[in-house]
Amino acid sequence: GAVVSQHPSWVICKSGTSVKIECRSLDFQATTMFWYRQFPKQSLMLMATSNEGSKATYEQGVEKDKFLINHASLTLSTLTVTSAHPEDSSFYICSAGHHDRGRTQPQHFGDGTRLSIL
Amino acid sequence: RKEVEQDPGPFNVPEGATVAFNCTYSNSASQSFFWYRQDCRKEPKLLMSVYSSGNEDGRFTAQLNRASQYISLLIRDSKLSDSATYLCVVSHLGGATNKLIFGTGTLLAVQP
Repeated sequence: GAVVSQHPSWVICKSGTSVKIECRSLDFQATTMFWYRQFPKQSLMLMATSNEGSKATYEQGVEKDKFLINHASLTLSTLTVTSAHPEDSSFYICSAGHHDRGRTQPQHFGDGTRLSIL
Repeated sequence: RKEVEQDPGPFNVPEGATVAFNCTYSNSASQSFFWYRQDCRKEPKLLMSVYSSGNEDGRFTAQLNRASQYISLLIRDSKLSDSATYLCVVSHLGGATNKLIFGTGTLLAVQP
């Protein structure tokens, strides 16, 4: 089955640091990848849709200057949390999927990155 | 009101029990429906897609009622390994791409 790899799996850093998270599709080309955030005991919330070769589409309330997304190739999307603060501590998960014959194919998720800002 | 609503549980059931989870969604334009499973501190994993005709995969049966905007998941003969959070997920077009909207999940604890 489709495999999505996410790195790193765990980050602990000081407030003010910028953190880059990578998401790779290992056995298929992903023109679109999605970035989610999940706070404890809450549902996954879509942050942005990452489109290969173009700008990301951000959900309402998500600061595009704080959460920089780059999707430079069909197999790699990166999310950079700039000047991270403790309130940015969360579980960040990427996913990739594709649209086939009018039906959304299930998305496959990376392992997630647990970000802790001190 | 949340777009996808689930009973958060927890559902505590003995091994071998049958348990049912329900989910409602508010956007009638939703096109695709899924159940995902999420273990503690892990990423969600697809359990099964849900089709209007209903579908079954081993001990798991999913049903969709578009008229009522209602989705269900039935687990028969529960195993200890079924303990997890079950996420109801719907998809609809958001611009040029399909977006997944997640429920908060229903926590299942299967007891020995």
